[in-house]
Amino acid sequence: DAGVTQSPTHLIKTRGQQVTLRCSPKSGHDTVSWYQQALGQGPQFIFQYYEEEERQRGNFPDRFSGHQYPNYSSELNVNALLLGDSALYLCASSLNGGGADTQYFGPGTRLTVL
Amino acid sequence: QQQVKQSPQSLIVQKGGISIINCAYENTAFDYFPWYQQFPGKGPALLIAIRPDVSEKKEGRFTISFNKSAKQFSLHIMDSQPGDSATYFCAASSTSGSARQLTFGSGTQLTVLP
Repeated sequence: DAGVTQSPTHLIKTRGQQVTLRCSPKSGHDTVSWYQQALGQGPQFIFQYYEEEERQRGNFPDRFSGHQYPNYSSELNVNALLLGDSALYLCASSLNGGGADTQYFGPGTRLTVL
Repeated sequence: QQQVKQSPQSLIVQKGGISIINCAYENTAFDYFPWYQQFPGKGPALLIAIRPDVSEKKEGRFTISFNKSAKQFSLHIMDSQPGDSATYFCAASSTSGSARQLTFGSGTQLTVLP
């Protein structure tokens, strides 16, 4: 049973560029959440996708956008990169409804903005 | 207030000892409290979780104690092993609309000495 997968593993960009991160959820899961984890801190919720719609959003600017495909995979896009966007970006998948609250995390994408 | 406060920031324990990590929250709407373990360069992995209708949950060497009136919960790791050395995050969530987002503590770096 494949877990949550993310690509790429590492990414280096310069300020002002745009980046796209990808996530494939755990088999059977239909909901994808994205989190940003700065060095030495806990993950911060960015947004959640379900049925190809953004269902909830954390306190992040609209430079952060996403997409979910019919196969439940998801992308996180960040425009106009800032140095402060350097972080580990985590994708978590879960199964919507029925009180299924458990979120399973992928290994993350380490983004470095120079 | 959506914060989850975690302590201590770091913890050193001898092999075979008990590791205790504490968390406190303010939002009484939180109804799901998971603990995650994270190794360097990896995504968080779910260890154990509890709902506020029980005061304690045990899985192997890991136990969550929950005090609803005090709005506090803690993780106890019995017979700590060097392989338990990792960063531990408490988290909390509630259903906002139909979505669940996790609010994480700041993390505890546990070192178990051989």
